[in-house]
Amino acid sequence: GAVVSQHPSRVICKSGTSVKIECRSLDFQATTMFWYRQFPKQSLMLMATSNEGSKATYEQGVEKDKFLINHASLTLSTLTVTSAHPEDSSFYICSARSAAPGNSPLHFGNGTRLTVT
Amino acid sequence: QKEVEQDPGPLSVPEGAIVSLNCTYSNSAFQYFMWYRQYSRKGPELLMYTYSSGNKEDGRFTAQVDKSSKYISLFIRDSQPSDSATYLCAMSLNAGGTSYGKLTFGQGTILTVHP
Repeated sequence: GAVVSQHPSRVICKSGTSVKIECRSLDFQATTMFWYRQFPKQSLMLMATSNEGSKATYEQGVEKDKFLINHASLTLSTLTVTSAHPEDSSFYICSARSAAPGNSPLHFGNGTRLTVT
Repeated sequence: QKEVEQDPGPLSVPEGAIVSLNCTYSNSAFQYFMWYRQYSRKGPELLMYTYSSGNKEDGRFTAQVDKSSKYISLFIRDSQPSDSATYLCAMSLNAGGTSYGKLTFGQGTILTVHP
C-alpha cells in the first residue's frame, strides 16, 4: 500500500534555531503534499499545500516566512520551521496523494514531534 | 459552530462490543468522507473512504454516510483491544484535485476496548 515516510520522528531544538522536517512518498509520486499540525488532544489543522515545482499555498493565519515549504521533487517535500519558539512545539504531520488518475485517498506520515525549549 | 463536530469521548467498551462513532457536519458541499485511526504519537491511518450516501463495509468496519442529514458514522463490529485508538472523521469538498487534501477533521473520539 501507499507509504509516506516522515523524518525525523522527534526533534528537540533550542528557541531561535531552525528545524527541517522531510516528507517522502516511498512508492508513489505525489505532485501535491499537505502539511498539518496537531496540538495535544486536538484535531489536525491544515497548514499548507505543497505543490511540486511551485510555491506552497498557506492556510489563513499560517506565516509563510516562518514555515518554509519546499517541494523539489515528486517524492519529497520539506517543512522548515524557522526561528522556532516554544509555541511552535507541536506534532507536525505530512500527507500525500498519488498523482495517478482516479480518486486515490490521502495517506499520512507518522508525524514529527517538535519540542522547542 | 465548527464545520465538523465529533464527540471526543472518551468511549470505553468491552471486547466484542459493537462500537458506533459519529460525526455531523454543517457544510453541505462536503462530498468525500473518510475515517482515520490514530494511535498515540503516530500519524492517522486511513480506514475507510467514501463519496456517496449509503453504507460501505470492509471487514469489521462499516462506514455510513447520510448526506441529507449531514451525518456520518463508523461501526466497528467485534471490537478488539487493538482497536483502542483515536478515531478521526474527515471530509473534503472535492474528490480530486489539490483541494482534495484540504481535509477538515473532526476532533477525534478516543476509544478504549478493554478485555
